[in-house]
Amino acid sequence: EAQVTQNPRYLITVTGKKLTVTCSQNMNHEYMSWYRQDPGLGLRQIYYSMNVEVTDKGDVPEGYKVSRKEKRNFPLILESPSPNQTSLYFCASSLRGQAKYNEQFFGPGTRLTVL
Amino acid sequence: QKEVEQNSGPLSVPEGAIASLNCTYSDRGSQSFFWYRQYSGKSPELIMSIYSNGDKEDGRFTAQLNKASQYVSLLIRDSQPSDSATYLCAVRLAGSYQLTFGKGTKLSVIP
Repeated sequence: EAQVTQNPRYLITVTGKKLTVTCSQNMNHEYMSWYRQDPGLGLRQIYYSMNVEVTDKGDVPEGYKVSRKEKRNFPLILESPSPNQTSLYFCASSLRGQAKYNEQFFGPGTRLTVL
Repeated sequence: QKEVEQNSGPLSVPEGAIASLNCTYSDRGSQSFFWYRQYSGKSPELIMSIYSNGDKEDGRFTAQLNKASQYVSLLIRDSQPSDSATYLCAVRLAGSYQLTFGKGTKLSVIP
């Protein structure tokens, strides 16, 4: 089944404890992206990757890191989480990032709470 | 600044009625337009995409695009309680890697 998977789905952690949220897709998509969703603010892009080893900042990159060493995986790293990073996080992928007819598919989400 | 605006709602319609959801965007270079449905606590699910002016129909859903007026709309015919969700409008500029999302319109279909 074609899908985007994220792990963990739920995470409660404490301020300053490094964490990684994994994202994997099995559709051979070139483009992958991370979003956070907060009430009243909508979906905001954190980072995106156009292909292996090519990443760029989205609208809210502060406090996050990413890497793209393999085509299928795009982990999100919070080196020193803070309470303002408590949010619902989504990974998404699409076949080509720039293509006009490109549709983006979302993973199930990771609900992160930083105490 | 790229902006995508949606009425936050909630929009309430009776079962069987037509629900009309609207979205305006600020950048005339926008090329691709998408409607996502999101149930509470779930991930956005793509339901419609539209790239050319006019209407595009898929089952009970019709997307309408008017680039001159910079708006895109979604009509849901014969609305069902299961259509109750938040609908997100998303827009991509030509040549851009990024999707810009509106904040969504919450639809409630009353049985």
